[in-house]
Amino acid sequence: QQQVKQSPQSLIVQKGGISIINCAYENTAFDYFPWYQQFPGKGPALLIAIRPDVSEKKEGRFTISFNKSAKQFSLHIMDSQPGDSATYFCAAQVSGGYQKVTFGTGTKLQVIP
Amino acid sequence: GAVVSQHPSRVICKSGTSVKIECRSLDFQATTMFWYRQFPKKSLMLMATSNEGSKATYEQGVEKDKFLINHASLTLSTLTVTSAHPEDSSFYICSARPLADDYEQYFGPGTRLTVT
Repeated sequence: QQQVKQSPQSLIVQKGGISIINCAYENTAFDYFPWYQQFPGKGPALLIAIRPDVSEKKEGRFTISFNKSAKQFSLHIMDSQPGDSATYFCAAQVSGGYQKVTFGTGTKLQVIP
Repeated sequence: GAVVSQHPSRVICKSGTSVKIECRSLDFQATTMFWYRQFPKKSLMLMATSNEGSKATYEQGVEKDKFLINHASLTLSTLTVTSAHPEDSSFYICSARPLADDYEQYFGPGTRLTVT
């Protein structure tokens, strides 16, 4: 019940295209859903996050869509650029200072020129 | 703001020795820090939750006597890999959650440990 399923495992998108990564969860107690971006040999960095009281959040070219009834959320990267090539992890957690984060399995995105 | 550092960034040690990794929150205080291990092309695996001034909470299957965690201050947590073996070689990442923040955590740049 603590799992977060993420797909696809890898994704190749042409420059200027839209990258879409999907995640699904089971635990209805989760109330915070961040996305992290990780470059090789580096730690993850928070990209964008959403709470279940909204269905969509947009920051620049990055948008999270959230479907509470389906227990699914997705990351859309508009106008994908080669610099977006990285591994993306969705995550979920229950609010609280000591609460741990459950990570998805990751999606390796490659944006080709 | 919200910068977390790790030291060292890379370390090579011989089998049987111990190695200490430091995790510091540079511009904020953190009651809670987390230690992760990441294998190549895999997701982050939580090892333990480190709480300032108290014992760490280890995830199932993580040997607490092998991976010693100390969180002595609100800006520093350390992970000591004791009697390291080649199978302990991995990428270790810490994260820190700011005081009074129920959600965000900020990650360090990671430490690459190689045990020969």
